[in-house]
Amino acid sequence: DGGITQSPKYLFRKEGQNVTLSCEQNLNHDAMYWYRQDPGQGLRLIYYSQIVNDFQKGDIAEGYSVSREKKESFPLTVTSAQKNPTAFYLCASSPKGAVTDTQYFGPGTRLTVL
Amino acid sequence: GQNIDQPTEMTATEGAIVQINCTYQTSGFNGLFWYQQHAGEAPTFLSYNVLDGLEEKGRFSSFLSRSKGYSYLLLKELQMKDSASYLCAVTTGGGNKLTFGTGTQLKVEL
Repeated sequence: DGGITQSPKYLFRKEGQNVTLSCEQNLNHDAMYWYRQDPGQGLRLIYYSQIVNDFQKGDIAEGYSVSREKKESFPLTVTSAQKNPTAFYLCASSPKGAVTDTQYFGPGTRLTVL
Repeated sequence: GQNIDQPTEMTATEGAIVQINCTYQTSGFNGLFWYQQHAGEAPTFLSYNVLDGLEEKGRFSSFLSRSKGYSYLLLKELQMKDSASYLCAVTTGGGNKLTFGTGTQLKVEL
């Protein structure tokens, strides 16, 4: 079965700790994306990558970091510099990152920072 | 900047038709996507419009008017399982970056 996996579904961390969220896809897609979703707000783009070893900041990149060492994987690290890290995090991928490409989403990770 | 507006909530009756509107003000508009999202789950793709007009796909249809900065999603023969949030998103510029509206929470009642 092809798809996008994110783990874990729920994650709890103490304030001041860095945490890494995983995202893996076996769709052979070139482009991958990280979004954050908060209640009453639309999805907001954190980082995106259109090719291995390259990535760009989205609209709210401060306090986050990513890597793209493999085509299948695009992990997101939420650092202690992120002021309001508690949110629902969604990873997505698209075939080529072209304007007309549909983005397909993983099941999400709900991060709670205590 | 980009501005996308959708109603926050709508309620409709099972078996009826509902229209969810989306207006946008963006620069460099390319196309518009509609996604469905059940609570706590991933958004799933419904439709994509790049040209003016109506795109029909089963019970769901989506309309776009580029000159008016306006789109709607039409859901026919509503079912209880259609209770979800419906997200309008636009692509602008040369890439595949999506800008989302806040979503419309649809509740289908008996």
